[in-house]
Amino acid sequence: NAGVTQTPKFQVLKTGQSMTLQCAQDMNHEYMSWYRQDPGMGLRLIHYSVGAGITDQGEVPNGYNVSRSTTEDFPLRLLSAAPSQTSVYFCASRQSGGGETQYFGPGTRLLVL
Amino acid sequence: GQQVMQIPQYQHVQEGEDFTTYCNSSTTLSNIQWYKQRPGGHPVFLIQLVKSGEVKKQKRLTFQFGEAKKNSSLHITATQTTDVGTYFCAGPIQGAQKLVFGQGTRLTINP
Repeated sequence: NAGVTQTPKFQVLKTGQSMTLQCAQDMNHEYMSWYRQDPGMGLRLIHYSVGAGITDQGEVPNGYNVSRSTTEDFPLRLLSAAPSQTSVYFCASRQSGGGETQYFGPGTRLLVL
Repeated sequence: GQQVMQIPQYQHVQEGEDFTTYCNSSTTLSNIQWYKQRPGGHPVFLIQLVKSGEVKKQKRLTFQFGEAKKNSSLHITATQTTDVGTYFCAGPIQGAQKLVFGQGTRLTINP
């Protein structure tokens, strides 16, 4: 199993550009989520999904959209990038239920100029 | 705001010294998880505590879950350079739909 994969690894954007961060998992996990990590702020939940067709907002959803058309994929879209979105983005997945181990992808480093 | 608080934010120790990080939640947690993130890496699951007052050990690491299930701690005995990284606690909120992380404690070690 590849686990959780993310692409790209690095990305530089200009303010106002849009892009999609890709996330895929091959563990048949129902629950997937996106976090952003900034220095001193830990991991903050952006959006999450409890299954295909179901998404919900996390702690910091503004400026981001998600969709979950399949169990495997959970892309994160930045519609109009802002410098405040410069961060490291982690995708994670786990089985449903609150007590399951969460597996993280390797992360995407995003710089918005 | 963040519902899971973690202290300290940073800790620097001499190799061989002990290290402890504390996690506090504003609400009772059904369980708490601990993760370790090496510099430049991604968070990796360490352990999960479920029962009130539970204590678990992994070699030099001791994890505790408070009696009220609102706080937890991770204690490392006799740190080694391989322990360097950021340690996060995480707890499910809103009926376990969301896994929320503390701010993390970054551990650096002087060899």
